[in-house]
Amino acid sequence: QVQLQESGPGLVKPSQTLSLTCTVSGGSISSGSYYWTWIRQPAGKGLEWIGRIYTRGSPNYNPSLKSRVTISVDTSKSQFSLKLSSVTAADTAVYYCARAVRSGSSAPFDYWGQGTLVTVSS
Amino acid sequence: SYELTQPPSVSVSPGQTASITCSGDNLGEKYTCWYQQKPGQSPVLVIYQDNKRPSGIPERFSGSNSGNTATLTISGTQAMDEADYYCQAWDSSTADVFGGGTKLTVL
Repeated sequence: QVQLQESGPGLVKPSQTLSLTCTVSGGSISSGSYYWTWIRQPAGKGLEWIGRIYTRGSPNYNPSLKSRVTISVDTSKSQFSLKLSSVTAADTAVYYCARAVRSGSSAPFDYWGQGTLVTVSS
Repeated sequence: SYELTQPPSVSVSPGQTASITCSGDNLGEKYTCWYQQKPGQSPVLVIYQDNKRPSGIPERFSGSNSGNTATLTISGTQAMDEADYYCQAWDSSTADVFGGGTKLTVL
């Protein structure tokens, strides 16, 4: 059974960089069949796709966040990471990592982490 | 940028059929997925590629997609189906995009 687990600081100061890691177990992060994705959800609001990485290609980012986002993968540790720079209170949210199945023009998210709350506050 | 629009809320009586719509320009030309999210939990995939159910998802969940609208249908709705539902599609300009979510109330 595939499992994803987010980890990282729960509190980040404004203007600093938010850094999270997702550890994948029960499956190979090196498989070319999947995108490894970050999604966030502010309290009481909807889901927002942040970006994804494919171990055999370049990452893709949400255009609205692209200037501040970096997603990378470390296959030796079976982890992928998110960095979001210059954070503000608007970046306060539950951050999820998820696996998306590469299938033509469709990439459904079939496994999700439990989510981690990141609060931006001084 | 590409946008998906869902009604904020839908109500249904137990045992009846619930329909949740998701609208976007030429959405029928894209594959749509649907996710169920209960309070305090991570989303769960209930429909992918417009009308396919992942293993473990009850047959009462079905989907369709044509024109500008995708629809999630829940037949014989049960109290356990009360949740937020999100549609999702991929667009070349925006990559993955989610609808704003629909709160399904079973009363």
